[in-house]
Amino acid sequence: TQLLEQSPQFLSIQEGENLTVYCNSSSVFSSLQWYRQEPGEGPVLLVTVVTGGEVKKLKRLTFQFGDARKDSSLHITAAQPGDTGLYLCAGGTTGANSKLTFGKGITLSVRP
Amino acid sequence: AAGVIQSPRHLIKEKRETATLKCYPIPRHDTVYWYQQGPGQDPQFLISFYEKMQSDKGSIPDRFSAQQFSDYHSELNMSSLELGDSALYFCASSAPGQGQETQYFGPGTRLLVL
Repeated sequence: TQLLEQSPQFLSIQEGENLTVYCNSSSVFSSLQWYRQEPGEGPVLLVTVVTGGEVKKLKRLTFQFGDARKDSSLHITAAQPGDTGLYLCAGGTTGANSKLTFGKGITLSVRP
Repeated sequence: AAGVIQSPRHLIKEKRETATLKCYPIPRHDTVYWYQQGPGQDPQFLISFYEKMQSDKGSIPDRFSAQQFSDYHSELNMSSLELGDSALYFCASSAPGQGQETQYFGPGTRLLVL
């Protein structure tokens, strides 16, 4: 069974601070996706990373896929209250139509 | 841009009743996935369909069944509902040849079993 561990589980910071959160696994994934989910809503895709060492930027968010494709990090610069939410990472395996394995998520709260 | 559509958004049922959840994928997406998310839990994969055929199966109870139709929409049928089936049910879709693992989620159906 492939497991994804996300850390920290909860994070509360002040507006304007920077933060980095992690998604780690002992297994190799062919791709890793980060989603943000609001309560009662569906996960919204932020990014997909597929190449080891890949770095992708989405405005103030920077995503990195580990060289061995077992882990990923999400760095947020100058966090805003609008960044508050649940951040889920999900790993996909090779093969057509592969299911996603999700981590437990990171609950981020950004205080004004 | 068009997104995944799910209906109904909310559903209340009694124990032992049946429920049908519908999912309409993003246009031209040929693969549909169903996930169940309990309170405070991460989404758990149930089942997926590619080109109207079941492609993968996860932790879906035998009381549940699903299918994908010729227009690529999918339905999840749930029978003999139990209290523990109360959860958010998400459908996701993906496009052919687009990095198959990239899945786009719908807004979900919140099922409450009383």
